[in-house]
Formats: sequence, C-alpha cells, structure tokens
Amino acid sequence: NAGVTQTPKFRVLKTGQSMTLLCAQDMNHEYMYWYRQDPGMGLRLIHYSVGEGTTAKGEVPDGYNVSRLKKQNFLLGLESAAPSQTSVYFCASSYTDRVHEQYFGPGTRLTVT
Amino acid sequence: AQSVSQHNHHVILSEAASLELGCNYSYGGTVNLFWYVQYPGQHLQLLLKYFSGDPLVKGIKGFEAEFIKSKFSFNLRKPSVQWSDTAEYFCAVTVSNDYKLSFGAGTTVTVRA
Repeated sequence: NAGVTQTPKFRVLKTGQSMTLLCAQDMNHEYMYWYRQDPGMGLRLIHYSVGEGTTAKGEVPDGYNVSRLKKQNFLLGLESAAPSQTSVYFCASSYTDRVHEQYFGPGTRLTVT
Repeated sequence: AQSVSQHNHHVILSEAASLELGCNYSYGGTVNLFWYVQYPGQHLQLLLKYFSGDPLVKGIKGFEAEFIKSKFSFNLRKPSVQWSDTAEYFCAVTVSNDYKLSFGAGTTVTVRA
C-alpha cells in the first residue's frame, strides 16, 4: 500500500514550457486535490476532484489544468509555465465520508526559470 | 471565504520547553479544525482534528489543541517538546458543509537539543 505517490519529485522548466504532474493513490479514495505550497502562504488549493471524470477549481486555478480519467490518478498540467508557478506541489486524497482527513503525497518541487 | 491566521512564523525553543502555537480563523459558522505537521523532508500528516464535542482534543505524539469558539481560536500545545518535534505546523479549517481545507501560513518550530 503505497498511499499517495507523486511523479516527478523535482523538475526545472523554462518559461513557456509545459509539463504534467502525476498523482496516484491506491486507497480507492473518491476525492483528490492539488495544492501548491509557497513560503509564508501555507497550502493553497489549485483544483480538486470529487470523483472520476469530474474536476473543479480551487482557490488558485489560473494557469493550471487537471484531469481525472481514472479514479486512482489525478493529473495537474501547466500549459505554459511561468516563474510565478515555482512552488512545491502536493497532491492529496480522501474518503467520501471523511473528506477532512486528507492523505498527502511527498510533493513535487518545481522551478520555472 | 474563511481565512486562517497563525501568529508565529518561526518558534525556537529548547528541549523540555512548553510549546503553544496560535491559530485563529475568520468564519462565524460551524467549522471543523485541524492541525497538520510536516517533518523535514516528509509530507503533511494529520496531527489532530476537532469536529464537535469536548473542545480539548488530543492528538498524536503528546499534542493537544483547544477550541475556543468565542475567540475563534484553535491553539496547539505540547507541555514538553523534544528535538524530534522540529517541523512545520499548519492549522487548517473547513466549514461544516464543505470539504475544502483552508490552511494557515504555517509555523516553523525548531527545537534545540
């Protein structure tokens, strides 16, 4: 039982490049979330999903897109990376009846130059 | 939208000292309250949670938190810290019918041996 895993762990992009971050969970959780963590700002919700095939915007969705084609995977895409997207990205998941208990992945550190 | 304030950005203390981290939220309705911890190099873990009932809740590793509704506060305490408590601590809030966590900016705690 790996829990929540994220790929890759580190990435450096140039401005304008695109990339996709992959989150996978093996706990059969319905809900999945993408956060970004910036110094002095805590974690902010980017997008979330309440089930396979559904996604919704969070607090800071601009510049990101997501997809949930399979229940266990939640992808976060950056179409045209900007330096302001330099951050640590965390994925999380939770059960439907315990949505407040979120299980977090190890994070992806992204630098955009 | 609700906001979460953590009063201390960085706390430095010696082993065996007592710890108290402040957390205040802005929402006036029914809330659920959480403290998460992030140890160096690790992902976020749930430390303790409050949904209802006894306002003094106990979590893992000797931590406790007290919900004071009149003060919109949920302060975290530990009577005697250890070096292994060095970590970043995040307070988080959801409103009763929502599953989106709002995080505070975090408090870095450094415990000196």
